[in-house]
Amino acid sequence: GENVEQHPSTLSVQEGDSAVIKCTYSDSASNYFPWYKQELGKRPQLIIDIRSNVGEKKDQRIAVTLNKTAKHFSLHITETQPEDSAVYFCAASYTGNQFYFGTGTSLTVIP
Amino acid sequence: GAVVSQHPSWVICKSGTSVKIECRSLDFQATTMFWYRQFPKQSLMLMATSNEGSKATYEQGVEKDKFLINHASLTLSTLTVTSAHPEDSSFYICSAVGQGGNQPQHFGDGTRLSIL
Repeated sequence: GENVEQHPSTLSVQEGDSAVIKCTYSDSASNYFPWYKQELGKRPQLIIDIRSNVGEKKDQRIAVTLNKTAKHFSLHITETQPEDSAVYFCAASYTGNQFYFGTGTSLTVIP
Repeated sequence: GAVVSQHPSWVICKSGTSVKIECRSLDFQATTMFWYRQFPKQSLMLMATSNEGSKATYEQGVEKDKFLINHASLTLSTLTVTSAHPEDSSFYICSAVGQGGNQPQHFGDGTRLSIL
């Protein structure tokens, strides 16, 4: 089955700096990669996703890059704000019926 | 759009009680629903995958007789924790995936289950 690894597990950045979270996956058949943000005690919320036919996708301050050859994908948050503080999860899927989550990254943005 | 409603949000009950948690997709039909368990500061642990009209597929180590899942319609799945014990205390979250390939999961708000 698929194995998704996520790094780092914790990340602290100064407000205004950029944050990068990286994930690797093992199954080359995976073709859909969503990113979720989860605030304490709340539901994970989809913030951006990318499909395997695209190498990069951007939505305002958030971007995701995908390297199919190396089997890794990354989340980039620019101009970080305190409200970006949360736990971020990456995931990989190849059927749409099974999602494999990374272990999460706790991001703290220091004002 | 794509709202998933999960109830109850918090349950406190005595050991030995069975607890039912409902997960509903409000504005879309979900062919597949997932049930996760999450411990504090940890990732989502998939318990089972539920497809409408068929038996749920449980992950290794998850007791199917302990965690009963029913997915009777395209908008409703239920998880029943039978004879709950303190070790079952956790945060349970459901998610639903719409029809069509490679759709994102939409999560419910989660249910905090506390067994005394």
